[in-house]
Order: sequence, then structure tokens, then C-alpha cells
Amino acid sequence: DIVMTQTPLSLPVTPGEPASISCRSSQSLFDSDDGNTYLDWYLQKPGQSPQLLIYTLSFRPSGVPDRFSGSGSGTDFTLKISRVEAEDVGIYYCMQRIDFPWTFGQGTKVEIK
Amino acid sequence: QVQLMQSGAEVKTPGASVKLSCRASGYTFPNYFIYWVRQAPGQGLEWMGRVHPSLGSTTYARKFQGRVTMTSDTSTSTVYMELSRLRSEDTAMYYCARDRLVGTTGLDYWGQGTLVSVSS
Repeated sequence: DIVMTQTPLSLPVTPGEPASISCRSSQSLFDSDDGNTYLDWYLQKPGQSPQLLIYTLSFRPSGVPDRFSGSGSGTDFTLKISRVEAEDVGIYYCMQRIDFPWTFGQGTKVEIK
Repeated sequence: QVQLMQSGAEVKTPGASVKLSCRASGYTFPNYFIYWVRQAPGQGLEWMGRVHPSLGSTTYARKFQGRVTMTSDTSTSTVYMELSRLRSEDTAMYYCARDRLVGTTGLDYWGQGTLVSVSS
């Protein structure tokens, strides 16, 4: 199984400041057949179901604020929040879906300082 | 609007089975796989498997093979997930979520979750 490793596991943030989370996979998530990198980011706010923030490395679903962005390649990925807002608190997970079983990172807990 | 409505909380004893449901609405049911993801108390997310909505074909995580069965009923747009031989470690919130059959865009909608408690 592909192992997903996130850092840091805890991230205190200041509203208005940028923040970033790293995710590393044990195998490349790049699919040479279609040119896509199958790495998603999810946010689980307290007491809620997870919600999709970024799919296929860098695509943002409609309704997700543009302060969220995803980047990276191969086995190293980053989620960036350009200016953190109070509503961004929760646990962020990366997930690979290039190979079954799909696997998640351990999660990064983001909280306001 | 897209909704995945899950069945209510369950309390089971070790060795029993549980069958959860996930009813889809607001979109074309046959066009999306349904996935199951679980989360033990205070823990991270764990992928369990998926079911094709029309064909009923399944892919399960190796960890659950032999204990999990996912089925789909197109007449009611409902997917079921049955987990057998329950043990205390199966106590978790179980979520269903969807992804496109073609042109995958990630798990874009999730159900509200069903809490399963396993205790003697």
C-alpha cells in the first residue's frame, strides 16, 4: 500500500497569515497514461464530514475559496492557504487515488494561535 | 442539491454484522461510484472500498476482504455496506462518498456519517 506522510501534524496559525502543509507519498502519484497526478486534499472541520478542497493535485472544486492551492509533483506535495481565516480550522488530510487501496495521510490539525 | 443520506447509528455486540445504507439524491446515480471511508474515534480516515452503482462490481481494501460486502440498488439509488464478524476495533464513524465514473474529480460529496459502536 502507498504510505502518505504529512508534516506537520499540528499547525498553529495566525489569521491573515499564510500557511502550508506538506504531504509525501511512498510511490509516485503521477499517471503517465493520462498525465494526471492523483493527489487530493480534504478538510474535516470539527464535528463535520470531510470536504474536498483540492483534487488531482491542483484543481479546486467550485465553491472552494481561491486562497487554497495545491502543488507538487511525483511524491512531494503542498497545500497552501494564502491568508488563513478562522473558518479554516480543522484537520487536513491528503489522499492518494492512483492505486487501491486509496490511502490518507495522518492528518494535520490546524488551529488558531 | 446533491445529498448522500446515511442510516442511523448502530450498536452491535462482537461477532455480529451491521448493514449501513447510503441513499443518493440530486444527481444521476449511475454516473458515480460510491465509496466507504471510516474513522475510528479520534483517529484518521481509512478507505474501505467502493461499488459501481449499476454493475455492482466492487473493490475492497485487503484489510476488509472477506468481511465486507458493498451492494447497490439502482431502483432506490441506495448503496449498502455490510460488515460482518464485528470486533471492538470496528467502532467508528462510517462515511459514504461519491466520485465520477469517468473524469474522476475526487470525493466531492460525503454523507453525514453513521456511528457504529461495537461493545459487549
